[in-house]
Amino acid sequence: TQLLEQSPQFLSIQEGENLTVYCNSSSVFSSLQWYRQEPGEGPVLLVTVVTGGEVKKLKRLTFQFGDARKDSSLHITAAQPGDTGLYLCAGAQDYGQNFVFGPGTRLSVLP
Amino acid sequence: SAVISQKPSRDICQRGTSLTIQCQVDSQVTMMFWYRQQPGQSLTLIATANQGSEATYESGFVIDKFPISRPNLTFSTLTVSNMSPEDSSIYLCSVELTSGSVYEQFFGPGTRLTVL
Repeated sequence: TQLLEQSPQFLSIQEGENLTVYCNSSSVFSSLQWYRQEPGEGPVLLVTVVTGGEVKKLKRLTFQFGDARKDSSLHITAAQPGDTGLYLCAGAQDYGQNFVFGPGTRLSVLP
Repeated sequence: SAVISQKPSRDICQRGTSLTIQCQVDSQVTMMFWYRQQPGQSLTLIATANQGSEATYESGFVIDKFPISRPNLTFSTLTVSNMSPEDSSIYLCSVELTSGSVYEQFFGPGTRLTVL
């Protein structure tokens, strides 16, 4: 059973478009993290959200944690080819014990 | 954050041989983990590397196949034993750091293993 689901699984868009990817669960998480992984590299932590309803912005990326701390979204404005990669969400249960990773959204931004 | 290095970055191995992957962290950390990432897939936790005691393995992973050492708080090794082509994956080590009550994981660059 996948505790964390991500959608869409794959996304191919043109440079300049906006997009949103989702991370959903039936479980409550004490915090949730988003990572980006480029080919041949390890995942790089983008953001950690902790409080229900929290919104964090990182340049063109906007992250939101659901009020019930069961879901999250990542919105990218004016996507660029450099945004291409695998986006992973990960939920921490029990305040750090047991990280759960979602299956990932593979994003391709075409020039 | 933490700076994590892994050796080797990639290797091509023959069936039946073993490979030991090293993970070095630039600071002392309590929690270190080993993950496997098969082509096009997400991360699967292999085990938690415990300093001073045996590693804690997840369901489906056993010590005989994936022996782990954790001699100190900055270093760990994962051995992939008696390899088969199904072991071809990226192997990643990670560390957990805390800031107050927030726990975050940081990853090494990974070791890309191909078994022929």
